[in-house]
Amino acid sequence: SAVISQKPSRDICQRGTSLTIQCQVDSQVTMMFWYRQQPGQSLTLIATANQGSEATYESGFVIDKFPISRPNLTFSTLTVSNMSPEDSSIYLCSAGTGAEQFFGPGTRLTVL
Amino acid sequence: KQEVTQIPAALSVPEGENLVLNCSFTDSAIYNLQWFRQDPGKGLTSLLLIQSSQREQTSGRLNASLDKSSGRSTLYIAASQPGDSATYLCALVSQGGKLIFGQGTELSVKP
Repeated sequence: SAVISQKPSRDICQRGTSLTIQCQVDSQVTMMFWYRQQPGQSLTLIATANQGSEATYESGFVIDKFPISRPNLTFSTLTVSNMSPEDSSIYLCSAGTGAEQFFGPGTRLTVL
Repeated sequence: KQEVTQIPAALSVPEGENLVLNCSFTDSAIYNLQWFRQDPGKGLTSLLLIQSSQREQTSGRLNASLDKSSGRSTLYIAASQPGDSATYLCALVSQGGKLIFGQGTELSVKP
């Protein structure tokens, strides 16, 4: 299994600002993903974080709004740009090397 | 487009009961299926992974089954405890590792 940590665990931000969330895995993994969980909802995939290349975004999510980096096999960042109250959600990183995916504790973001 | 449905949305049972959570999906051409637990305001804990060639997996008081032909999976929890109270999510795993989640079942086990 993989142990995943995220920073920050929570934040309260002002409209129009940006926040970068970090995801660290305790071992090298082939796959890393970013998910969003809006209040009272299930999880929706934002993008696949590709090591050394541009992320692959799902329908409805764009790079300008959610830039993602993955410089190596254990680390990734997600930036939420030009935030609005609608971006208030829990953002979760997941990672795995094969069939099973593991999740970080999530980052709870509130935008005022 | 693959859709995942979980029934019921919420369930309240007395301590000690055995219970079944249901998950259905529209496309039987799945890779794997994974069950998770989420405590309020927390991340997800992986409970069981069923690979597409398997029919069930067991871990302690938990047993998950998979019937691809009917598009269904069930999570059986034996002798439920208050500590089992959480939201349970099933997710289809694509070959690329992406997960498609159901809406979850919120379980409350009363002492």
